[in-house]
Amino acid sequence: EAGVVQSPRYKIIEKKQPVAFWCNPISGHNTLYWYRQNLGQGPELLIRYENEEAVDDSQLPKDRFSAERLKGVDSTLKIQPAELGDSAVYLCASSSVLGVNTEAFFGQGTRLTVV
Amino acid sequence: QKEVEQDPGPLSVPEGAIVSLNCTYSNSAFQYFMWYRQYSRKGPELLMYTYSSGNKEDGRFTAQVDKSSKYISLFIRDSQPSDSATYLCAVPYNQGGKLIFGQGTELSVKP
Repeated sequence: EAGVVQSPRYKIIEKKQPVAFWCNPISGHNTLYWYRQNLGQGPELLIRYENEEAVDDSQLPKDRFSAERLKGVDSTLKIQPAELGDSAVYLCASSSVLGVNTEAFFGQGTRLTVV
Repeated sequence: QKEVEQDPGPLSVPEGAIVSLNCTYSNSAFQYFMWYRQYSRKGPELLMYTYSSGNKEDGRFTAQVDKSSKYISLFIRDSQPSDSATYLCAVPYNQGGKLIFGQGTELSVKP
């Protein structure tokens, strides 16, 4: 079974430019998460989807970040305009059901460098 | 104070050593505790989870929770070079809607 697929793996952009990341979760997983992992830190949740509905976006910097999950499957995370501080690894994860002991499966991440 | 704190290391040990990785947490309401392993340039993967206090063993790995001191530990016996990775403790929050991670401890096992 294919895992969570993210693209691109790496992206280098100049500040003030837009960038988009794509995620395809594990088939059948209704819950999709976007996390951001800064260098030397653990991942931090940006947004969680239940099917196509964003149910927790409290940590998403809405002035420059946006996300969508059309048809409750693939998801796109966008940054416009990017800032130097946005350099990080952006991880997508999915899980089958919501629960305290439910495993979240992570993709390999997109490593963003803003110069 | 962060809700989950972890010594970032790095930690370097010889092959065969016993490794102890530790986290502390602040919220006494937390009941489930997880350990994720993250290899370089990869996403985290779940290694083990425990509920409440006590020990849980899986092969060479043992997870331990001490709720009285809000302390979480992961022990690795007979460590192998393939165990070289970053280990992240995590707590599910909001009925599992969010994982709160520690900073991660980078472990290197030298042959």
